[in-house]
Amino acid sequence: GENVEQHPSTLSVQEGDSAVIKCTYSDSASNYFPWYKQELGKGPQLIIDIRSNVGEKKDQRIAVTLNKTAKHFSLHITETQPEDSAVYFCAAKDTGGFKTIFGAGTRLFVKA
Amino acid sequence: DADVTQTPRNRITKTGKRIMLECSQTKGHDRMYWYRQDPGLGLQLIYYSFDVKDINKGEISDGYSVSRQAQAKFSLSLESAIPNQTALYFCATSDPGSGELFFGEGSRLTVL
Repeated sequence: GENVEQHPSTLSVQEGDSAVIKCTYSDSASNYFPWYKQELGKGPQLIIDIRSNVGEKKDQRIAVTLNKTAKHFSLHITETQPEDSAVYFCAAKDTGGFKTIFGAGTRLFVKA
Repeated sequence: DADVTQTPRNRITKTGKRIMLECSQTKGHDRMYWYRQDPGLGLQLIYYSFDVKDINKGEISDGYSVSRQAQAKFSLSLESAIPNQTALYFCATSDPGSGELFFGEGSRLTVL
């Protein structure tokens, strides 16, 4: 079955710096790669996603890249702000299937 | 009001007790899920249901059972709780078109 590995587990950056979180997946049938943000005391919420027919997608300060050959995908946050502090999860899914498999999560701290 | 509502939000119980966590949704989605979150392990799928007559085991279903009472309601039961079931539990629905998951705010369960 699918396995998703996520690094780093903890990331601390200064406000205004960039943050990068990396994930790898194992199942070449996966074709949907969402990223979820979990704020303290809340459930995860989708912030951006990418499908396997696209190499990069950007939404304001966040971007995601996908390398299908290497089975890698990454989240990039530029000009980080304190409100970006949260736990971020990458995930992979075969849209023809039924399970979204999550990485272990990255706790991001943005220091003011 | 939240689209996915979980009750209770917090529960402390003793080993051997039966516990039910309830979930209701107003998204109108057929697909519902129960996930468990442990620190450093991400979100692991316990059970999922694609409609009221369809129940499927996820990655970690042992010790758990579910009931889909209606399209909008999906409950998770621990027949005889044990301490290693102490975790944060999330209910979710999914949009069948996009694959996006919509999570409740979580139910924190402590088994003493």
